[in-house]
Amino acid sequence: EPEVTQTPSHQVTQMGQEVILRCVPISNHLYFYWYRQILGQKVEFLVSFYNNEISEKSEIFDDQFSVERPDGSNFTLKIRSTKLEDSAMYFCASSGTGREDSPLHFGNGTRLTVT
Amino acid sequence: QKEVEQNSGPLSVPEGAIASLNCTYSDRVSQSFFWYRQYSGKSPELIMSIYSNGDKEDGRFTAQLNKASQYVSLLIRDSQPSDSATYLCAATNSGYALNFGKGTSLLVTP
Repeated sequence: EPEVTQTPSHQVTQMGQEVILRCVPISNHLYFYWYRQILGQKVEFLVSFYNNEISEKSEIFDDQFSVERPDGSNFTLKIRSTKLEDSAMYFCASSGTGREDSPLHFGNGTRLTVT
Repeated sequence: QKEVEQNSGPLSVPEGAIASLNCTYSDRVSQSFFWYRQYSGKSPELIMSIYSNGDKEDGRFTAQLNKASQYVSLLIRDSQPSDSATYLCAATNSGYALNFGKGTSLLVTP
């Protein structure tokens, strides 16, 4: 079964450094998402992406975050200057149509630890 | 703030029993609802989706939706120890992003 692939599985970085989290969505999917989950808390929406542009973003997704689809397969989340509170599990997800009845398929996540 | 509310649990049921998980949502715009299962340290895994009022059954799982009461539930019949996990309720917002609840921890005891 096709799956969403995320790399790395664990990233440790120092406060103030830039990190790039990478995702390969399911190949025929058109809508891409980033969610995060701080330890012990709920899964939170960050951003959705369609047709090479952001279609929706949350309050969390401020100027230090950016997303990009640099080629036909990868989807990346960049955090420009990491803060301690950015430590979380980051999940990439994709869906076929982006319609409400098109379920999200999540990747295994990248655990980001900011020290 | 649009919220999806769940009892955090833990909900403990014996093996073979029915587990009942509940969720309420505040955004009347929400049209689609999902139940995900999440094992510790893992990603959410879709169990059920429901869009219309009433019941929807899939194997041992039944989702129930009542839009008038803004209430969603998940029943797990013949619960197994492998069902022990955190169950996340999610609702679409005015766009297509999912708004998740904090999850209910389910423990099925042998």
